[in-house]
Amino acid sequence: AQRVTQPEKLLSVFKGAPVELKCNYSYSGSPELFWYVQYSRQRLQLLLRHISRESIKGFTADLNKGETSFHLKKPFAQEEDSAMYYCRNAGNNRKLIWGLGTSLAVNP
Amino acid sequence: EAQVTQNPRYLITVTGKKLTVTCSQNMNHEYMSWYRQDPGLGLRQIYYSMNVEVTDKGDVPEGYKVSRKEKRNFPLILESPSPNQTSLYFCASNTQAGELFFGEGSRLTVL
Repeated sequence: AQRVTQPEKLLSVFKGAPVELKCNYSYSGSPELFWYVQYSRQRLQLLLRHISRESIKGFTADLNKGETSFHLKKPFAQEEDSAMYYCRNAGNNRKLIWGLGTSLAVNP
Repeated sequence: EAQVTQNPRYLITVTGKKLTVTCSQNMNHEYMSWYRQDPGLGLRQIYYSMNVEVTDKGDVPEGYKVSRKEKRNFPLILESPSPNQTSLYFCASNTQAGELFFGEGSRLTVL
């Protein structure tokens, strides 16, 4: 079955610490992986996509096909990074496969 | 401005009273979808549509209907709402490259 797994429901770090939000996928086709962020009481918005290999708000994510992972990383977390983060893939027939999300809390 | 607009943003209703949540996008996207978001359960897809008159079930379609008569609109219909449909609902449309644009959400409470 196609799946996107975000193993941590909640991740708590201190300001300035490195942060890694994990995402693993299972899909027989070519992955189309994205990270979305949802700040408190706001809509989800795109953070990163694997094809662009860009850095947004200090976050990066590298597709590792060998480990079937697309972990989101930031070297120095900021309090404003506190949010819900969702990883997603595209499955067959364009049905999107979402992880359950990880709530990141950055403490002062 | 590119956007996805949902209405109503907030609604309290009673069991069995039919309601429709509208969704409209101005980006000429072919693909649109509906989600519900519940604590601890993440984002679950209800229905999606790949084009006009083409709709398909997502992960949790029971109790919902959709229609796609024109490209810009994708309403979500609850024919007979029940309390377990109390949730936060998001509509989204996406580009061919797969980038989703979400509406601001509709918080529905069914008493």
